[in-house]
Amino acid sequence: DAGVIQSPRHEVTEMGQEVTLRCKPISGHNSLFWYRQTMMRGLELLIYFNNNVPIDDSGMPEDRFSAKMPNASFSTLKIQPSEPRDSAVYFCASSPGTDEEQFFGPGTRLTVL
Amino acid sequence: QQQVKQSPQSLIVQKGGISIINCAYENTAFDYFPWYQQFPGKGPALLIAIRPDVSEKKEGRFTISFNKSAKQFSLHIMDSQPGDSATYFCAATSGGGADGLTFGKGTHLIIQP
Repeated sequence: DAGVIQSPRHEVTEMGQEVTLRCKPISGHNSLFWYRQTMMRGLELLIYFNNNVPIDDSGMPEDRFSAKMPNASFSTLKIQPSEPRDSAVYFCASSPGTDEEQFFGPGTRLTVL
Repeated sequence: QQQVKQSPQSLIVQKGGISIINCAYENTAFDYFPWYQQFPGKGPALLIAIRPDVSEKKEGRFTISFNKSAKQFSLHIMDSQPGDSATYFCAATSGGGADGLTFGKGTHLIIQP
C-alpha cells in the first residue's frame, strides 16, 4: 500500500491567495483527519471525517479554513484568503475506523509570505 | 480540546541508557493513549499505545506505564540507541480511539553514541 498521499509537499504563496491542500487516504480506511503542526502550538487537530461526513470541525481556526471529503478516496483543505500565520506543516491521517491507529501522510509544508 | 502536558521538552541520553518521557492529561473521558514517533521531514508514526484498563504495556524496548488515578502516563525506552533519536509525542483521545488525537507538545530526544 502506498500509504496516505498528500500534495503538494511544499507550497509557497503570498498573503491573500487561496491555498488548496489535497489528501488521498489509505484505501479502505473510513476515517480521515487533518492536523496542523507549528513550533508554537505543536500538533493540532483541525477536523476529521468518518465515512466522508465531517464529525468534528471545532479545531478549524476560523472561517478562512474549509475542508471537504467528496468521496472515500479524496479530501481537500482550503484556506482562503491565506495569511502568514497559516504557515505550518499540514498533515492528513487516516484510520480503518475499527482500529485506533492513525496513519499519517508526509505532510504539506505551507509558507505564506 | 483538553490539554495533554508533556515533559521534558528535550532530552539527551547516552547510548544504552533509559529514556523517560512523561505526560499528564485532564479529560477523564480519554480512553486511548498512544505515543507517536516523528523523524525530521516525516509524518508521525504510531510507536505504542495503551488503554486505561492496564497499568503497563511493553513492546520490545518500549514500555508505557499508566497511572489512571494520577492521570499520568509515561514512555520508557530501554537500551536507547542512536536510531531512537527523534521527536516523541504523547496523545490521548476518546471514543475508543475513533476520535481525533490531542497531542502533547513533543519531546526532542537525542541519543549520544
